[in-house]
Amino acid sequence: SQQGEEDPQALSIQEGENATMNCSYKTSINNLQWYRQNSGRGLVHLILIRSNEREKHSGRLRVTLDTSKKSSSLLITASRAADTASYFCATNRYTNAGKSTFGDGTTLTVKP
Amino acid sequence: EAGVVQSPRYKIIEKKQPVAFWCNPISGHNTLYWYRQNLGQGPELLIRYENEEAVDDSQLPKDRFSAERLKGVDSTLKIQPAELGDSAVYLCASSLDQGTQYFGPGTRLLVL
Repeated sequence: SQQGEEDPQALSIQEGENATMNCSYKTSINNLQWYRQNSGRGLVHLILIRSNEREKHSGRLRVTLDTSKKSSSLLITASRAADTASYFCATNRYTNAGKSTFGDGTTLTVKP
Repeated sequence: EAGVVQSPRYKIIEKKQPVAFWCNPISGHNTLYWYRQNLGQGPELLIRYENEEAVDDSQLPKDRFSAERLKGVDSTLKIQPAELGDSAVYLCASSLDQGTQYFGPGTRLLVL
């Protein structure tokens, strides 16, 4: 079974709007990562947030982590058509730290 | 710098036939991963190598799947015999130690 679960499964917005995706997980983690996957392509690493961090920014991306609720959110501000993709969260535990466990992703569609 | 290279990109075979996938990681990356991604789902780890040693193969169906990483660089993943349920995208990724994973474009397998 997957460690992370993304919500919503699918999201459709207009260009310029903000997109928020959520990830919940079950066990304590060392870090959590977000990836993007364009159709028919491999995954691209977006951002990593460690368990002792609460928020990180990278360009138009903002990631938060709430370890008490075992959840994370990815916010994409001022979305563009090129942001259309599937977004996955992946968790790494303290034990077997090299193993990333992925959720099933959120499919984001940004309409021009 | 070249990214992770995978071949072939697409493969169509009949059930019970063998199939092999090849991965060339980013130069200098000692950790290599093979994932399977079913349609609409996140990647699932099959096997992880650190140099030439398989350190996590708990999810690899060993009755029909095998993998090797000779000299700690390139890797091959083999399925013999293939079953209908093996249809999926097989992703290879590499990293330096347990850092950020860089994914290849994947091999899309269709078993008829």
